[in-house]
Amino acid sequence: DSGVTQTPKHLITATGQRVTLRCSPRSGDLSVYWYQQSLDQGLQFLIQYYNGEERAKGNILERFSAQQFPDLHSELNLSSLELGDSALYFCASSVNVRDKTYEQYFGPGTRLTVT
Amino acid sequence: DQQVKQNSPSLSVQEGRISILNCDYTNSMFDYFLWYKKYPAEGPTFLISISSIKDKNEDGRFTVFLNKSAKHLSLHIVPSQPGDSAVYFCAASPYGGSQGNLIFGKGTKLSVKP
Repeated sequence: DSGVTQTPKHLITATGQRVTLRCSPRSGDLSVYWYQQSLDQGLQFLIQYYNGEERAKGNILERFSAQQFPDLHSELNLSSLELGDSALYFCASSVNVRDKTYEQYFGPGTRLTVT
Repeated sequence: DQQVKQNSPSLSVQEGRISILNCDYTNSMFDYFLWYKKYPAEGPTFLISISSIKDKNEDGRFTVFLNKSAKHLSLHIVPSQPGDSAVYFCAASPYGGSQGNLIFGKGTKLSVKP
């Protein structure tokens, strides 16, 4: 158990809909990262938040957005869903970017299926 | 353009022997490298890491070697055990540490046969 929790574990929805994925980082971790893993793809970095502020952006679509709340949990919002958005979405957390501690600890993931 | 490449999608090894997983990268700005292990239906689990100022890091049965001139790293598992069967991802940290995101390879599926 990494200490990172994600809900829900599975999500099935229809094209055009909007969903919210939730992540709670390990206790004490200030950074939260979101990654997408599609079929035959490695993990693709989407976005990072550090202590409530956006820190880095990767290959995140404009239909996707995220935020980190004062209690440090994070939500990833996916809207106007398409079939190609079906994937595993992982959240990870780490202690502090400035400490140069790059070990990220991953949650169990949310499997999103768009039909 | 894939900056971190794991060219072997799968590897099969006998229990007790050495497993060697390889990873190549293209970006010379990468300064920190990590290996993750992933079982089905679970998130990746951090295994071992190495900074670019080192060429070797060891943790129990796991050793990571870094060859900066060749932009190549490898993970050695000795001795291999059936419980090591999983997908192994190589990851790199870009931009000299100014950002924390990781760039992952596509993974190598290791099967350790009893």
